Amino acid sequence: EAQVTQNPRYLITVTGKKLTVTCSQNMNHEYMSWYRQDPGLGLRQIYYSMNVEVTDKGDVPEGYKVSRKEKRNFPLILESPSPNQTSLYFCASSRTSRDSGWDQYFGPGTRLLVL
Amino acid sequence: DAKTTQPPSMDCAEGRAANLPCNHSTISGNEYVYWYRQIHSQGPQYIIHGLKNNETNEMASLIITEDRKSSTLILPHATLRDTAVYYCIVTYGNKLVFGAGTILRVKS
Repeated sequence: EAQVTQNPRYLITVTGKKLTVTCSQNMNHEYMSWYRQDPGLGLRQIYYSMNVEVTDKGDVPEGYKVSRKEKRNFPLILESPSPNQTSLYFCASSRTSRDSGWDQYFGPGTRLLVL
Repeated sequence: DAKTTQPPSMDCAEGRAANLPCNHSTISGNEYVYWYRQIHSQGPQYIIHGLKNNETNEMASLIITEDRKSSTLILPHATLRDTAVYYCIVTYGNKLVFGAGTILRVKS
């Protein structure tokens, strides 16, 4: 089954304690992306990756890091989480689509609470 | 910058067609129109996309006006499970910018 998986699905942590949210896709997609969703602000893109070893900032990258060492995985790293990073996070993947339209597959979400 | 304008909410009777409008008057020639939906707090789900022509798949139909300045998503026989937030997005490439969307409530 084609899918994007995220782990963990729920996480409660404390300020300053480094954490990683994993994202994996089994569709051999080149493109992967992270979003956060907050009430009243909608979904905002954090980082994206066009392919292995190619990453770039989205609209709200501050406080986050990513890496793309393998095509299937795109972990989101919070080196020193703060309460304003409490949010619902989504990972997505698709084929690259500079010249045509493609659907993006989204993961189930990771709900993070930073105390 | 919002590229699309959608009504904040709509109601639809179960079994009837749901027609969700979207205005995108500043759309560029190479930008596609995408529709996604999000049920409660689940991950957004792709519905359909198009460039110029009308499109249909197993979920919905997309009608794009000839000048491409607006479009309509049609769910032909809405069910209670179609209650969700529907997002109309115009973009070139992979970047999706989500607006507020339209809350569609399907009522029995």
